[in-house]
Amino acid sequence: GAGVSQTPSNKVTEKGKYVELRCDPISGHTALYWYRQSLGQGPEFLIYFQGTGAADDSGLPNDRFFAVRPEGSVSTLKIQRTERGDSAVYLCASSSGTRVDTQYFGPGTRLTVL
Amino acid sequence: DQQVKQNSPSLSVQEGRISILNCDYTNSMFDYFLWYKKYPAEGPTFLISISSIKDKNEDGRFTVFLNKSAKHLSLHIVPSQPGDSAVYFCAAKAINRDDKIIFGKGTRLHILP
Repeated sequence: GAGVSQTPSNKVTEKGKYVELRCDPISGHTALYWYRQSLGQGPEFLIYFQGTGAADDSGLPNDRFFAVRPEGSVSTLKIQRTERGDSAVYLCASSSGTRVDTQYFGPGTRLTVL
Repeated sequence: DQQVKQNSPSLSVQEGRISILNCDYTNSMFDYFLWYKKYPAEGPTFLISISSIKDKNEDGRFTVFLNKSAKHLSLHIVPSQPGDSAVYFCAAKAINRDDKIIFGKGTRLHILP
């Protein structure tokens, strides 16, 4: 596709449930990033993939959060035992992977945990 | 601890005038700075960037100024247009970290008719 796509656009779940959020990066982009944006805040880095491997997962808040990118393209962010504090917009971005390359963002998935 | 600070949550500017958005940073390791623009229900869109070896970068109506000694940068939009109404995020990358972008909280710009 022309840009980064994310599905679903909205996800409402109950506390304690498991959710998966999907990101389709721009074709050919080797680098993929996940960010989380809470209300009134800027995007906060979660994890970065270069190809299939997680090059930096230092932003994941705890072990309930996990992300994969098995074939170096689509990525899935997985959240176990969701908590109300996980409610936020989860943004995915991709880039061609050079040092100063622009990161192109998707529209985000708005996660609401009731 | 906010490493990138945008102290003005919102700004209103008359159409046709200059909009100036300010940003301060605390991390001396930052060497690349970016501005992103965000409309509601959309992801942030890259606007303009500047390397720490420069003090100014211009692209059409948008100019970013960097003052390294003050750890301050600003985005100037001239002339301001209605479509410029959005949230603007200042962001930075560190020398030894190729990956993560550190964002400020954003400034909501309103262009008044």
